[in-house]
Amino acid sequence: AQTVTQSQPEMSVQEAETVTLSCTYDTSESDYYLFWYKQPPSRQMILVIRQEAYKQQNATENRFSVNFQKAAKSFSLKISDSQLGDAAMYFCAYRSLHSGGSNYKLTFGKGTLLTVNP
Amino acid sequence: DVKVTQSSRYLVKRTGEKVFLECVQDMDHENMFWYRQDPGLGLRLIYFSYDVKMKEKGDIPEGYSVSREKKERFSLILESASTNQTSMYLCASSSHTPVEPQQYFGPGTRLTVT
Repeated sequence: AQTVTQSQPEMSVQEAETVTLSCTYDTSESDYYLFWYKQPPSRQMILVIRQEAYKQQNATENRFSVNFQKAAKSFSLKISDSQLGDAAMYFCAYRSLHSGGSNYKLTFGKGTLLTVNP
Repeated sequence: DVKVTQSSRYLVKRTGEKVFLECVQDMDHENMFWYRQDPGLGLRLIYFSYDVKMKEKGDIPEGYSVSREKKERFSLILESASTNQTSMYLCASSSHTPVEPQQYFGPGTRLTVT
């Protein structure tokens, strides 16, 4: 079974600074997806960024980028130029690349609560 | 945009009541999921469905059941609510297509059982 570990329950960053959230995972599969989700206080969970394991290039979405280290099974999220609106709970998640039944499930880490200080 | 809606944002029920949580998605997704979210425990999968009338147990199915009679709707049922089922419940949906493997979430239902 796959596991996802987020070792930082809470982190804080100054506005306009850069912060990196850590995620490690364990799997015996070679093909999979990794995701970062954001859940602002009292608001809906939304997808921040997605990485396919077969892609060597790290995914980027505006101020959000990942450092995907497949051999180390590490998938960190970097937020550049942090804004007050980035304050949220961030979840790392894993999904098998394969189709069918339980392969559609996501395995989540326990989350990292990010505070942005003005 | 994908829209996942849940029938209530906040719900208060008494111990022993039968509780229905409804989830509807408008993107013709094959997969639908029910999670509960508790502080320090993250998201835990209760049940999921990868097709109409199909359901599979997740990690914590005890005390819950589900129904999926139509593709767009997935219901979570608490047969006899208990105080330890006080939690935030999140519904999600996703497609079978590998082009879009992510799940889309509803706004959540905060259930309090007294």
